[in-house]
Amino acid sequence: DGGITQSPKYLFRKEGQNVTLSCEQNLNHDAMYWYRQDPGQGLRLIYYSQIVNDFQKGDIAEGYSVSREKKESFPLTVTSAQKNPTAFYLCASSITAVHTDTQYFGPGTRLTVL
Amino acid sequence: AQKITQTQPGMFVQEKEAVTLDCTYDTSDPSYGLFWYKQPSSGEMIFLIYQGSYDQQNATEGRYSLNFQKARKSANLVISASQLGDSAMYFCAMRELYGGSQGNLIFGKGTKLSVKP
Repeated sequence: DGGITQSPKYLFRKEGQNVTLSCEQNLNHDAMYWYRQDPGQGLRLIYYSQIVNDFQKGDIAEGYSVSREKKESFPLTVTSAQKNPTAFYLCASSITAVHTDTQYFGPGTRLTVL
Repeated sequence: AQKITQTQPGMFVQEKEAVTLDCTYDTSDPSYGLFWYKQPSSGEMIFLIYQGSYDQQNATEGRYSLNFQKARKSANLVISASQLGDSAMYFCAMRELYGGSQGNLIFGKGTKLSVKP
């Protein structure tokens, strides 16, 4: 079955640590995205990638970093510079980055800073 | 100004009845896409339905339909014959051709739908 997987489902981090969230897709989609969701809120874009080896900052990129070395993978690193990282993180992909292409989401990773 | 407005934080509907979830949007782009997603308590965002700004007919997908009124800038989701499994958060989202958010999805704050047996 084609889809998007994210791991881990739950992640606990101590203050000052960097952590990496995994996102893999086997849909053969060119574009991939990372969103953050805070309680009672909609999603906000962190980073997106239209194609391999290319990515752009979204609305709230500070304290995060990404890489796109393979079409299937778009890992997100939450660095110690992110002041309030506790949130629900969702990865998505679409066939292309054209604005009419539907984005499909993975199951999410819930990050908690201890 | 908010790009996507969902004015109903929470709604109740009786099982088997129809329900309309409101969404208004704000854009000056000539081309845009409107999307509805469902988020159950598990957290996954499930795509429901899409409406393009140039589409002449309202989109439909099974029990979901989108009441698109372009002049009023509204894109309400209609769920027919509600089921208990429809209880979830519902998000309206938009992507603009030249959007300020790098043309990516802009979400409303959501409506929590509760279906009563």
